[in-house]
Amino acid sequence: DQQVKQNSPSLSVQEGRISILNCDYTNSMFDYFLWYKKYPAEGPTFLISISSIKDKNEDGRFTVFLNKSAKHLSLHIVPSQPGDSAVYFCAASALRGYKYIFGTGTRLKVLA
Amino acid sequence: DAGITQSPRHKVTETGTPVTLRCHQTENHRYMYWYRQDPGHGLRLIHYSYGVKDTDKGEVSDGYSVSRSKTEDFLLTLESATSSQTSVYFCAAGGDTDTQYFGPGTRLTVL
Repeated sequence: DQQVKQNSPSLSVQEGRISILNCDYTNSMFDYFLWYKKYPAEGPTFLISISSIKDKNEDGRFTVFLNKSAKHLSLHIVPSQPGDSAVYFCAASALRGYKYIFGTGTRLKVLA
Repeated sequence: DAGITQSPRHKVTETGTPVTLRCHQTENHRYMYWYRQDPGHGLRLIHYSYGVKDTDKGEVSDGYSVSRSKTEDFLLTLESATSSQTSVYFCAAGGDTDTQYFGPGTRLTVL
């Protein structure tokens, strides 16, 4: 039973436009959420995080939004660049830094 | 990668043989994890460790065992490999912050 779901397996966006990647979760105990980016043949790399005490966190072109009542978070990338083409995973945990559950990933393709 | 290495990087083995994958970290992280990545499943947690000799099961632990005798090393063992264990295996390490640092992965093929 998937506790963290990324329902869009793939997404294509034009360079310069906004990319929105979505993630839903079912466990109301989750309080910490991460986004990772993964290139082929490499390990995932950390992008941005958010905890349940906030509804938004920004880091440069990346913004994560959290809607706890809907059990939904999203990652916005503005503007999208070809180098952003990768697989993006969201992850959630009830305890900070500990035992994160990952979603299935969304493959983003940014078209030049 | 923050000092996370995995060995071997690629391995082909036969059904029924034992296999051990090694993860090594240089940053003294408290927690270490083993994940497998499969199409349609994302990253699934196999086992994790919250300290030397302290380990616990993750989502997909059947057929796998782990050991952590030193802070820097976390071993994943497939006692008798099966074709369903063909996958890419990632090790990760982290502390009490948000970030888990991942290794480069091990591609395991069980024939």
